[in-house]
Amino acid sequence: NAGVTQTPKFRILKIGQSMTLQCTQDMNHNYMYWYRQDPGMGLKLIYYSVGAGITDKGEVPNGYNVSRSTTEDFPLRLELAAPSQTSVYFCASSYSGTSGAYNEQFFGPGTRLTVL
Amino acid sequence: DAKTTQPNSMESNEEEPVHLPCNHSTISGTDYIHWYRQLPSQGPEYVIHGLTSNVNNRMASLAIAEDRKSSTLILHRATLRDAAVYYCILRDGVSAASKLTFGTGTRLQVTL
Repeated sequence: NAGVTQTPKFRILKIGQSMTLQCTQDMNHNYMYWYRQDPGMGLKLIYYSVGAGITDKGEVPNGYNVSRSTTEDFPLRLELAAPSQTSVYFCASSYSGTSGAYNEQFFGPGTRLTVL
Repeated sequence: DAKTTQPNSMESNEEEPVHLPCNHSTISGTDYIHWYRQLPSQGPEYVIHGLTSNVNNRMASLAIAEDRKSSTLILHRATLRDAAVYYCILRDGVSAASKLTFGTGTRLQVTL
């Protein structure tokens, strides 16, 4: 299994540009998540999904959109890039199981985004 | 989610045990204690979790205080590959959404 894969690894955007960060998992996990990590800080949840067609906001959703049309894919869309969105973005997935407490999250390698 | 408090950084010599503390005085009865670590330039990875009893796995041990207001992650023999940021996280055992709330963690340095 490849686990959680993310593309691209690096990207530089100009203010106002848009882009989509791709995330794919091959573990048949129900739950998927997007986090951002600013320098020296912990991760903050942007959006999450508990299954295809179902998404919900996390702690810092402003400026982002997501969709979940398949179990495997959970793309993150930035519509109007701003310097405040310069960060490292991590996608994660987990199996739902019978209780959220047991479910290990598997993280991708991250996308480093710079907005100038 | 309840809050955790960890030291900003710790140092250890290679091959020695490391005890990483975490305080969570406002933990609720349904909160599980999870530990993740983040190696340099990588995404976080799961280390261990527990509820009340001490736990062991191939990576580490988790010692939980009897009142559950603190816990300690134990690496039995630190190696250079264990240098990472370690996050102590409380997760509601009832919620199925499995959200993780990361603090700033403890940066562990391992030296020869």
